[in-house]
Amino acid sequence: AQSVAQPEDQVNVAEGNPLTVKCTYSVSGNPYLFWYVQYPNRGLQFLLKYITGDNLVKGSYGFEAEFNKSQTSFHLKKPSALVSDSALYFCAVRDKDSSASKIIFGSGTRLSIRP
Amino acid sequence: NAGVTQTPKFQVLKTGQSMTLQCAQDMNHEYMSWYRQDPGMGLRLIHYSVGAGITDQGEVPNGYNVSRSTTEDFPLRLLSAAPSQTSVYFCASSYSSGPRTDTQYFGPGTRLTVL
Repeated sequence: AQSVAQPEDQVNVAEGNPLTVKCTYSVSGNPYLFWYVQYPNRGLQFLLKYITGDNLVKGSYGFEAEFNKSQTSFHLKKPSALVSDSALYFCAVRDKDSSASKIIFGSGTRLSIRP
Repeated sequence: NAGVTQTPKFQVLKTGQSMTLQCAQDMNHEYMSWYRQDPGMGLRLIHYSVGAGITDQGEVPNGYNVSRSTTEDFPLRLLSAAPSQTSVYFCASSYSSGPRTDTQYFGPGTRLTVL
């Protein structure tokens, strides 16, 4: 079985400070990992994904995430937060060693950036 | 490309009524899925499909049916609506192989209220 956990319901950061949104996962095989962002009353938008290769993945809007296999984590980071980054962020995982496996999302973390 | 479209945007049902939420994509994606989003629960997978004629259950399939007769369309049927099915429903699609695999494109959502 596969699962993904986002341990923080909310993260509050001052504008200009670095931010981290945490994600840990569990799969029986090797993972595909994703981050999505949701703005109010909108569908989710893709930010970045880890498939293979370099553990540091760069994505949209200056976000990046680091895959850590030993800690089964895929934390989302940004060096300098903007007020416009305030949104709901979702981590997702798929077991890439299962041909018909599904994509499972975490419960989401609300990121609030204060001016 | 219209991307992923969902109809209707809003719907109010009475307990026991049935209805179909429509989802269509024009990107020739093999993988399509339905999620429901509830406060504090994140996105939970209802059903998914890896191609025309192939569907499978997700995390919360009870009370919902799906079929995939064409690549483009993936309707979600509520057989007998219950108040517990009040939620926002998102359809998503993606390639299931190649370099763009698993980057999901989400529809705008359907907000369903069951009285």
